[in-house]
Amino acid sequence: QQPVQSPQAVILREGEDAVINCSSSKALYSVHWYRQKHGEAPVFLMILLKGGEQKGHEKISASFNEKKQQSSLYLTASQLSYSGTYFCVPNSGTYKYIFGTGTRLKVLA
Amino acid sequence: SAVISQKPSRDICQRGTSLTIQCQVDSQVTMMFWYRQQPGQSLTLIATANQGSEATYESGFVIDKFPISRPNLTFSTLTVSNMSPEDSSIYLCSAASGTDHGYTFGSGTRLTVV
Repeated sequence: QQPVQSPQAVILREGEDAVINCSSSKALYSVHWYRQKHGEAPVFLMILLKGGEQKGHEKISASFNEKKQQSSLYLTASQLSYSGTYFCVPNSGTYKYIFGTGTRLKVLA
Repeated sequence: SAVISQKPSRDICQRGTSLTIQCQVDSQVTMMFWYRQQPGQSLTLIATANQGSEATYESGFVIDKFPISRPNLTFSTLTVSNMSPEDSSIYLCSAASGTDHGYTFGSGTRLTVV
């Protein structure tokens, strides 16, 4: 079952913060986050592990909710380069990676 | 992280023909995956390419239509067989070195079937 992301789309001004949510039907072992720009392949941003450890981007962080069935991605002080479509890829401890529905983010000057 | 060379980058094919997409990784990787992406949509997992054994296909994808090879830890191919216009899409391969590492993607193959 495909993970559901919210919001579907968001528009920000440069310097503003954003939160993107990712919901799964199962408790999660980890969550990958990717950003895809138009016409390009997805690029790995960060991974959130079940113990809360994060590996990846400086200005981007993530968290789990209590039941570890939802993850949120936090974009701080957004830059124009943050524009793109964000995908979560939750994992329940298997080698099967299903991409979320995606969130289109546009940062305006 | 690994670098993946994917080719061809694009192709226009006649219906009923087949196209083989190749992905070469610059280092040995444990897992390789094939995805399909329609414009404006998310990525859909086609199959996991296992070295030394048959690929594992997701629901809606079958080996006869999308045969996959994984002869070693750095290379995989996906063939789109007996193509129809509905197969027009972007196909992407990806690789990971373990469950706690991010995926690297090839640059994608934009396939148009006419």
